[in-house]
Amino acid sequence: GAGVSQSPSNKVTEKGKDVELRCDPISGHTALYWYRQSLGQGLEFLIYFQGNSAPDKSGLPSDRFSAERTGGSVSTLTIQRTQQEDSAVYLCASSRGRSTEAFFGQGTRLTVV
Amino acid sequence: QQQVKQSPQSLIVQKGGISIINCAYENTAFDYFPWYQQFPGKGPALLIAIRPDVSEKKEGRFTISFNKSAKQFSLHIMDSQPGDSATYFCAASRETSGSRLTFGEGTQLTVNP
Repeated sequence: GAGVSQSPSNKVTEKGKDVELRCDPISGHTALYWYRQSLGQGLEFLIYFQGNSAPDKSGLPSDRFSAERTGGSVSTLTIQRTQQEDSAVYLCASSRGRSTEAFFGQGTRLTVV
Repeated sequence: QQQVKQSPQSLIVQKGGISIINCAYENTAFDYFPWYQQFPGKGPALLIAIRPDVSEKKEGRFTISFNKSAKQFSLHIMDSQPGDSATYFCAASRETSGSRLTFGEGTQLTVNP
């Protein structure tokens, strides 16, 4: 597709369950970001992948959060044992190597009940 | 050193007025300064960006002013329109090293008709 695609667009899960959020970046983009945005709030950085370099995981809030990027393309953000405070919109973005214009997906709205 | 501070948190402007949003950064290695616009329910989208070799960049009604010595940059929206009502984020990165974008906290702009 032409843009960054995220799935699902909405996810409701019970507290304590694990969830997986998927991001398909723009083809050829080597950089991929995950951000979290709570209602009316700013963009909280979670993790950054750049090519074959080790990912920058400095924004992951706890060890319940993990992400991987397979084959330099699709990325999955996994949240284990979800808590109510994990409820937010999770945004994925990608960019070309040296050009840091980041293109964002529409986000996945996660609700933990 | 990675922080980008943005103000004001919210801004209300009358139609036809000038909207001004300010950002300040600490890391002198930053060399790419974009502004993103986000409408409700959508991911942020690149609006305009500047690099430190120029002090001003204008695209239509949108202008970035950059003050390298003060480590500040600002977004000016001339002739503000109700359709400009959105959340605006400034960001910064070290483009030459492919580092991740660091975002400001966001400004919610409301343009009254």
